[in-house]
Amino acid sequence: AQTVTQSQPEMSVQEAETVTLSCTYDTSESNYYLFWYKQPPSRQMILVIRQEAYKQQNATENRFSVNFQKAAKSFSLKISDSQLGDTAMYFCAFMKQTSGSRLTFGEGTQLTVNP
Amino acid sequence: KAGVTQTPRYLIKTRGQQVTLSCSPISGHRSVSWYQQTPGQGLQFLFEYFSETQRNKGNFPGRFSGRQFSNSRSEMNVSTLELGDSALYLCASSGIDQGAMGGYTFGSGTRLTVV
Repeated sequence: AQTVTQSQPEMSVQEAETVTLSCTYDTSESNYYLFWYKQPPSRQMILVIRQEAYKQQNATENRFSVNFQKAAKSFSLKISDSQLGDTAMYFCAFMKQTSGSRLTFGEGTQLTVNP
Repeated sequence: KAGVTQTPRYLIKTRGQQVTLSCSPISGHRSVSWYQQTPGQGLQFLFEYFSETQRNKGNFPGRFSGRQFSNSRSEMNVSTLELGDSALYLCASSGIDQGAMGGYTFGSGTRLTVV
């Protein structure tokens, strides 16, 4: 079974600054995907960024980037130039690369961006 | 393109009753997954349907069931409700079969309160 751990229940950052959210996972699988999802107060889970395990290059989406360390089973999210709209719960998630796979989520990190 | 629609948004039920929640996926999406979100247990996978067939099931009691119709709309049913079933139920759809590659789009969920 896979497990995903987010050790930071809450974090805060000043607007325009950079923040890094941590995530570690445990799996015996070789082929898998990792994701960061954002859940604002509207409750809808929004995909922020995804990483294929076979890719060595770290994924980047505008102000969001990841630091994927496969050997260490670490997958952190860096948010640059933080904006007030980034305030949300952030979930790290794992999924095996097979049909019908489920997402395994971490506990979440509540990020607050302060003006 | 319309997103994933979940109805109702809020629901209050009494212990012992049963409830049916509905999810309409994005047009063309054939995979629908359900997740339960609670403060204590976090996000947990319930089941996944693809082309009217349940492909994957989480570790929930038989009181939790689901189905998918030919138009890909899905329903989940919880019978003999317990207080612990109070949760946010999230539905996600994907148009990609192989491992979904994180192409899940989530709805805004149904908030179920059991009293």
